[in-house]
Amino acid sequence: AQRVTQPEKLLSVFKGAPVELKCNYSYSGSPELFWYVQYSRQRLQLLLRHISRESIKGFTADLNKGETSFHLKKPFAQEEDSAMYYCALIDSSNTGKLIFGQGTTLQVKP
Amino acid sequence: DGGITQSPKYLFRKEGQNVTLSCEQNLNHDAMYWYRQDPGQGLRLIYYSQIVNDFQKGDIAEGYSVSREKKESFPLTVTSAQKNPTAFYLCASSIDAAQGTAKNIQYFGAGTRLSVL
Repeated sequence: AQRVTQPEKLLSVFKGAPVELKCNYSYSGSPELFWYVQYSRQRLQLLLRHISRESIKGFTADLNKGETSFHLKKPFAQEEDSAMYYCALIDSSNTGKLIFGQGTTLQVKP
Repeated sequence: DGGITQSPKYLFRKEGQNVTLSCEQNLNHDAMYWYRQDPGQGLRLIYYSQIVNDFQKGDIAEGYSVSREKKESFPLTVTSAQKNPTAFYLCASSIDAAQGTAKNIQYFGAGTRLSVL
């Protein structure tokens, strides 16, 4: 079965500390993975996707097929990073359906 | 503010009532999706549509219905059969799957919060 698991509901760090939001997936074949972010009072938006291999707002995520993980990392957290983060996987049916994890709230304290 | 527009922002449903949530997009996207967002459960897919006049059930379609008569519109009706409708509903769209690397990126509306009176 295809599944995305985000084990942490809440991650609280101090400003300037490193951040790692965990995401594990279950998928047969080559997955296509995304991180979406929802800031307070804003709509859900794409943060990054693994095929782009880019860094957005200082965040990076590397696909680790051996560990079936796609953890989101940032070396130095900023208060404006506080938001809800969702890891998502494209369904294998080629319909564009996304399978979302449960979400992790990142709280960056001053 | 173009993109995807959801209305209303807040909606209240009475017992036994059907209510319809609007979703309109001006992105010329072929595919549209409805998700339900509940605390601690992430987003769950209700219905999706890849082309006009065609739609498919998602993971939690019971108690919901949709239509796709126009490319830009994908309304969701929460029927009286949906016993626990209180949630935040998100509509999304994405470009045609045939459009290379741009495909599979979903763009979201601002959401509709539905509550039961």
